[in-house]
Amino acid sequence: NAGVTQTPKFRVLKTGQSMTLLCAQDMNHEYMYWYRQDPGMGLRLIHYSVGEGTTAKGEVPDGYNVSRLKKQNFLLGLESAAPSQTSVYFCASSSPGTGMAGELFFGEGSRLTVL
Amino acid sequence: RKEVEQDPGPFNVPEGATVAFNCTYSNSASQSFFWYRQDCRKEPKLLMSVYSSGNEDGRFTAQLNRASQYISLLIRDSKLSDSATYLCVVNGGAGSYQLTFGKGTKLSVIP
Repeated sequence: NAGVTQTPKFRVLKTGQSMTLLCAQDMNHEYMYWYRQDPGMGLRLIHYSVGEGTTAKGEVPDGYNVSRLKKQNFLLGLESAAPSQTSVYFCASSSPGTGMAGELFFGEGSRLTVL
Repeated sequence: RKEVEQDPGPFNVPEGATVAFNCTYSNSASQSFFWYRQDCRKEPKLLMSVYSSGNEDGRFTAQLNRASQYISLLIRDSKLSDSATYLCVVNGGAGSYQLTFGKGTKLSVIP
């Protein structure tokens, strides 16, 4: 079972470059989320989506854009990468059936380094 | 006051010991509470939900104290495989789609 799949798993960028992280889930979940995790900071919500075509800002949205054109995919874009965006990015999904914000299913993470 | 606070640890305990973690949250409107487990360099995974009446799952017991706004996790008979970081997670209240994660408490179970 695939669950939540993130690509790429590793990436090194130079300052100013752009890239897109792709998250795909095969569980027909309505809600999808992008988090970043930094040492000593815990998981912080970047953006989230409660359905196809809808997105909303989380706790730390600056420098990121997202799109949810298809229910199963949630894309996270960095238009001009900065060293402060070096982090591990986790995508997650959940279903209303598990409660408004119930069990999150996470991808394996994408490790991004910006030089 | 931070939204979800946990003692970062590390807690180093011998096999077979009982260990307890506490977590405090600041949003009195929060209605859903969870403990997640995260292994080193892995994604978080749900360990257990926390119900108002308290709940138990094998060696793990979770408690919720709404009046004092804290959640606890008790692990009995610790195993080496319990070594991980335990994340306290709280939702933003009724109608909220967002979960707020604590920074985690690191547990190392020593042979």
